[in-house]
Amino acid sequence: DAGVIQSPRHEVTEMGQEVTLRCKPISGHNSLFWYRQTMMRGLELLIYFNNNVPIDDSGMPEDRFSAKMPNASFSTLKIQPSEPRDSAVYFCASRSGAGSYTIYFGEGSWLTVV
Amino acid sequence: GDSVTQMEGPVTLSEEAFLTINCTYTATGYPSLFWYVQYPGEGLQLLLKATKADDKGSNKGFEATYRKETTSFHLEKGSVQVSDSAVYFCALSVNSGGGADGLTFGKGTHLIIQP
Repeated sequence: DAGVIQSPRHEVTEMGQEVTLRCKPISGHNSLFWYRQTMMRGLELLIYFNNNVPIDDSGMPEDRFSAKMPNASFSTLKIQPSEPRDSAVYFCASRSGAGSYTIYFGEGSWLTVV
Repeated sequence: GDSVTQMEGPVTLSEEAFLTINCTYTATGYPSLFWYVQYPGEGLQLLLKATKADDKGSNKGFEATYRKETTSFHLEKGSVQVSDSAVYFCALSVNSGGGADGLTFGKGTHLIIQP
């Protein structure tokens, strides 16, 4: 079975540009998570969705960040405008549903903002 | 709030040494506990898990036992290999009533195994 698929794997962009990260969760999973990993702050939960509905976005750092899940098989995390401090690895993860506690991660999108 | 504390790294061991990485947690509710491993340049992979007190999770020679009385979930392996070099994350997830929430992670422990 295909795992969580993220794109792009690597992106280098200039400050002020819009960045869109994409995620395809595991088929049949109905919870989706976006995490950010940095050396300073470790792994942080940004937002998660249940059945395409955002449940908790308290981890989204500021209004420059937005996430959508238009259907069960696709989600985006957008940063507009991007700043150098947004440089990090962004992970998407999915889980099969209520009562299941195991979360499966994608390989990450490595973002560098210069 | 929920939190996970794990020992700071890096932890450097020789091949075939015994490994322990300590992990303790605080949680409202009754958490499930996890160890994830991240190899260089890769995403996180689930290593093992335990969902209730006294459960032991095990995989690839690694073990961890859910100790409610000490709120701990220490990771152990009897004989490490160079290929075990990675960053190990302890994590918890709490069922808040509507279903399990996202994972709360520790800071990660970088393990280096020398031949």
